[in-house]
Amino acid sequence: DAGVTQSPTHLIKTRGQQVTLRCSPKSGHDTVSWYQQALGQGPQFIFQYYEEEERQRGNFPDRFSGHQFPNYSSELNVNALLLGDSALYLCASSLRGSAQPQHFGDGTRLSIL
Amino acid sequence: AQSVAQPEDQVNVAEGNPLTVKCTYSVSGNPYLFWYVQYPNRGLQFLLKYITGDNLVKGSYGFEAEFNKSQTSFHLKKPSALVSDSALYFCAVRDIGTGFQKLVFGTGTRLLVSP
Repeated sequence: DAGVTQSPTHLIKTRGQQVTLRCSPKSGHDTVSWYQQALGQGPQFIFQYYEEEERQRGNFPDRFSGHQFPNYSSELNVNALLLGDSALYLCASSLRGSAQPQHFGDGTRLSIL
Repeated sequence: AQSVAQPEDQVNVAEGNPLTVKCTYSVSGNPYLFWYVQYPNRGLQFLLKYITGDNLVKGSYGFEAEFNKSQTSFHLKKPSALVSDSALYFCAVRDIGTGFQKLVFGTGTRLLVSP
């Protein structure tokens, strides 16, 4: 039973560029959440997708956008990259309405030069 | 808004000794509390959760946590630490908002277990 998988594992971009990160949820899960973890900090909630719609959003600018596909996989897009966007981006999946915990992938390490 | 606080940036303990990693919470309503562990260059691994029921929650790898409503605390414990327990530990609370599982994390506590 595959867990949450994320790609790529590492990415280097320059300021002003755009990036797309990908996530496949754990089998049986229908909800995908994205978190940003800056160095030395706890994960910060970006947004959550369910039934292909954004359901909740954290305190992140519109440069951060996402998408969920019919197979429940998800993408995180970040436009006009800033140096401060350098972080580990974590995807987590869960089952809507379940008390079971979110399962996390190993993340994508994004470095902005 | 829901929040958790981890007052210690780092906890040092000798192998074989008991360990405690502290967490306090601030919520409206009943708390849904979690502990996750993060090893270098990895994502978060779930250790245990408290929703309702017994105040002592048992989880993975011999960890347990004690929920204390009067002190609004949810401390992580283990009777005998292992060197392999050295990692970054996060306490989190589920934001009950719309019913979706948004997690609010603490700043993390680094646990160092010496041989």
